[in-house]
Amino acid sequence: DAGVIQSPRHEVTEMGQEVTLRCKPISGHDYLFWYRQTMMRGLELLIYFNNNVPIDDSGMPEDRFSAKMPNASFSTLKIQPSEPRDSAVYFCASSTGTGRAYEQYFGPGTRLTVT
Amino acid sequence: GENVEQHPSTLSVQEGDSAVIKCTYSDSASNYFPWYKQELGKRPQLIIDIRSNVGEKKDQRIAVTLNKTAKHFSLHITETQPEDSAVYFCAASIWWSGGYQKVTFGIGTKLQVIP
Repeated sequence: DAGVIQSPRHEVTEMGQEVTLRCKPISGHDYLFWYRQTMMRGLELLIYFNNNVPIDDSGMPEDRFSAKMPNASFSTLKIQPSEPRDSAVYFCASSTGTGRAYEQYFGPGTRLTVT
Repeated sequence: GENVEQHPSTLSVQEGDSAVIKCTYSDSASNYFPWYKQELGKRPQLIIDIRSNVGEKKDQRIAVTLNKTAKHFSLHITETQPEDSAVYFCAASIWWSGGYQKVTFGIGTKLQVIP
C-alpha cells in the first residue's frame, strides 16, 4: 500500500481565496483524521470520520473550515475564505477499527501558506 | 475535553545519555497513550504505545510508563543516538470497543542528541 496520500504537498494562496486539501486514506481503514500543525499550537485535531461519517468536528476553528468524506477512499478539507493565520501544515491520518486498532498512519502533509 | 500537557518543550542530551519526556492528562476516561516521533520535515510516526491496563512497556531502547492514578505517562530513551533527534509527541486517547476514538496531542518535545 502507498500509505496515506495527500495533495497538494505545498499550496501558496492569497488571502480570501478558497483552498481545498485532499486526502486518500489507506485502503481498508475506516477512520480518517484531519490535523493542523503550527509551532505555537502543535498538532491539533480538526475533525475525524468513521465510515465516512463525521464523528467529532469540535476542533474545526470556525465556519470557514469544512470537511467532507464522500466515500471511503477520499476526503477534502476546504477553507473559504482563507486567511494568513490559516498558514500551517495540514496532516491527514487514517486508522482501522480492527486488528491493531490504535495506530494512526499520517500522510506527508500539505504545507499551506496564505499571503 | 481532554487536556494534555507535555514537558519539557526542548531537551538536549549528550549521545549515550538518557532522555525522559513527561506528559499529564486530565480525562480519566483516556485509555490509550501513543507516542509519535516526527523528524524534521516528515510526518509523525508511532514509536510506542501503552494501554491503561499496563504500567510499563519497553521496546529496545525506548520505554513508556503510565501512572493512571496520577494521570501521567513518560517516554524514556536510553543510550541516545543522533538519529533520535526529532520532535516527540505524546497523546491521550479514548478507545472503546464500539470503535469510538478521540485523541489529544501534547505540544511536542524537541529532542537534540549532541554527538
